[in-house]
Amino acid sequence: AQSVTQLGSHVSVSEGALVLLRCNYSSSVPPYLFWYVQYPNQGLQLLLKYTSAATLVKGINGFEAEFKKSETSFHLTKPSAHMSDAAEYFCAVKKVGGNKLVFGAGTILRVKS
Amino acid sequence: DVKVTQSSRYLVKRTGEKVFLECVQDMDHENMFWYRQDPGLGLRLIYFSYDVKMKEKGDIPEGYSVSREKKERFSLILESASTNQTSMYLCASSVRDITEAFFGQGTRLTVV
Repeated sequence: AQSVTQLGSHVSVSEGALVLLRCNYSSSVPPYLFWYVQYPNQGLQLLLKYTSAATLVKGINGFEAEFKKSETSFHLTKPSAHMSDAAEYFCAVKKVGGNKLVFGAGTILRVKS
Repeated sequence: DVKVTQSSRYLVKRTGEKVFLECVQDMDHENMFWYRQDPGLGLRLIYFSYDVKMKEKGDIPEGYSVSREKKERFSLILESASTNQTSMYLCASSVRDITEAFFGQGTRLTVV
């Protein structure tokens, strides 16, 4: 069965600093991988996705993630944090051909001025 | 714009009440999902449906049921609400291969 581990339930960075949110997955076959963002009292919005094309995926708002099969990782990065990036971020995995999207526990990103 | 609409943003219900949460999508998606979101636990799948009148249990189906009579509408039913069902409920929809899931705004349910 697929599972997702997000390391760090809370991450705090200064405005302008690098953002790194970690995600490791387990899947018996190559997966689809997703990062979603949730602002307070909102639904989830897709940031980016990996669906077996290029391993470096660029998303909205300057975020990107790299699929590393050898490390079973799909970490989310942004070179320079902005105050508006403060939100909760979820990594999710789906087995190709499967019918379930499995989410990690989420990481709350705080951006300090 | 694609849209998943949940009928209520906030609900307060009494213990023992039967509760209906409604979700409508306008994208002609085959799949629809109900998740429950709790702090520190992420999103947990309650039920999903891959076609009209078809449903499968997710990871935490106990105390819930669902109905999908039309392709665009997926209802979550709490047969007898309990305080431990106080949570944020999120509906989503996707095409069959789930290359992307689209989410509604969520319903924050409080059971008192």
